[in-house]
Amino acid sequence: AQTVTQSQPEMSVQEAETVTLSCTYDTSESDYYLFWYKQPPSRQMILVIRQEAYKQQNATENRFSVNFQKAAKSFSLKISDSQLGDAAMYFCAYRRKSWGKLQFGAGTQVVVTP
Amino acid sequence: KAGVTQTPRYLIKTRGQQVTLSCSPISGHRSVSWYQQTPGQGLQFLFEYFSETQRNKGNFPGRFSGRQFSNSRSEMNVSTLELGDSALYLCASSLVGTGTYNSPLHFGNGTRLTVT
Repeated sequence: AQTVTQSQPEMSVQEAETVTLSCTYDTSESDYYLFWYKQPPSRQMILVIRQEAYKQQNATENRFSVNFQKAAKSFSLKISDSQLGDAAMYFCAYRRKSWGKLQFGAGTQVVVTP
Repeated sequence: KAGVTQTPRYLIKTRGQQVTLSCSPISGHRSVSWYQQTPGQGLQFLFEYFSETQRNKGNFPGRFSGRQFSNSRSEMNVSTLELGDSALYLCASSLVGTGTYNSPLHFGNGTRLTVT
């Protein structure tokens, strides 16, 4: 069975600074997808960034980037130049390539201080 | 393009009652998935529908059921409500599969169900 672990319940960062959220997962699959979703107080889950396992290059979306270490089964998210609007719960999610469900980690609450 | 719409946003029910939640996917999306979110269990997959057929089901009792209509709108039903069913129920749609790279999930704002 696949599991997704986010070991940081909460992370605090000052505006304009950088914060890194960790995520590890367990799988026996060789090809799969990884995602980071953001859930602000509005409750809507918003896709932040996605990665295909077979792609070596780390995904980047504006101020958001990932460090994908396939051998270590690690998928961390880096938020650069943090903004107040980045404050939210962040979820790491895994999905095997063949048809299946999305599995989420427990989430990391990001607090941004002025 | 309108996003995923879930109705109602809030619902209060009594133990033993049943409830129906509604989800309208993004136009053109054929897959609808449902997730339950609670503080204790986190986000758990309920089921996925594609072209009116249930394709995948999570580990929930038979009291939880769903269906999808020809216009891709989906409903989720919970019968004989229990206190533990209190949760945020999230619906998500995607073009084809359940959150693939090229067809990621787009979520609605959820329905907050409180069972008293």
